[in-house]
Amino acid sequence: GAGVSQSPSNKVTEKGKDVELRCDPISGHTALYWYRQSLGQGLEFLIYFQGNSAPDKSGLPSDRFSAERTGGSVSTLTIQRTQQEDSAVYLCASSLQSPSYEQYFGPGTRLTVT
Amino acid sequence: AQKVTQAQTEISVVEKEDVTLDCVYETRDTTYYLFWYKQPPSGELVFLIRRNSFDEQNEISGRYSWNFQKSTSSFNFTITASQVVDSAVYFCALSEVSSNTGKLIFGQGTTLQVKP
Repeated sequence: GAGVSQSPSNKVTEKGKDVELRCDPISGHTALYWYRQSLGQGLEFLIYFQGNSAPDKSGLPSDRFSAERTGGSVSTLTIQRTQQEDSAVYLCASSLQSPSYEQYFGPGTRLTVT
Repeated sequence: AQKVTQAQTEISVVEKEDVTLDCVYETRDTTYYLFWYKQPPSGELVFLIRRNSFDEQNEISGRYSWNFQKSTSSFNFTITASQVVDSAVYFCALSEVSSNTGKLIFGQGTTLQVKP
């Protein structure tokens, strides 16, 4: 079946602009995660959604970052007033159920802030 | 605090050699899960294995094997008879049940280069 998809695959934006990154999880997966991968910080957790429960936003680095998940499926990660340190690959993952099931990752969105 | 350490930053081997990637973790949970993921040059993280904290049985899948030892908090990964296609970055990760989220705590990754 189809895996996790993300769009765009690459995004170049100017400092100060807002960006939206999209994630389409595997059908039937109730848990959805966003991670960020950067050279300096490695792979770090950002936010978690499970069904209709309140999301766990504990990994968001600042209030410029927000995310939503509509209808329990597609998720959008928004970064406002982008900064150069936001440059990274943003990865989305989904799983059947947390915490015991493995997560399947999308190809990521490479964000470059100039 | 929870932590995953992959002490080997880079490993280079010649094809057909065996190679072991080390992973040491720290957690206060008694129930947790350990994972290995592969990230080839294409960039997408590929799931390899999941282990729960109550199952210390070693696992073998083809040329891959995993050794889980709670006594030393280690979950090492061995590739037997390595191939060029094994070249990738390998990540070990921890998920604690107490997090209620399943969020993964990743090690820094080990870059494996297999030369022909």
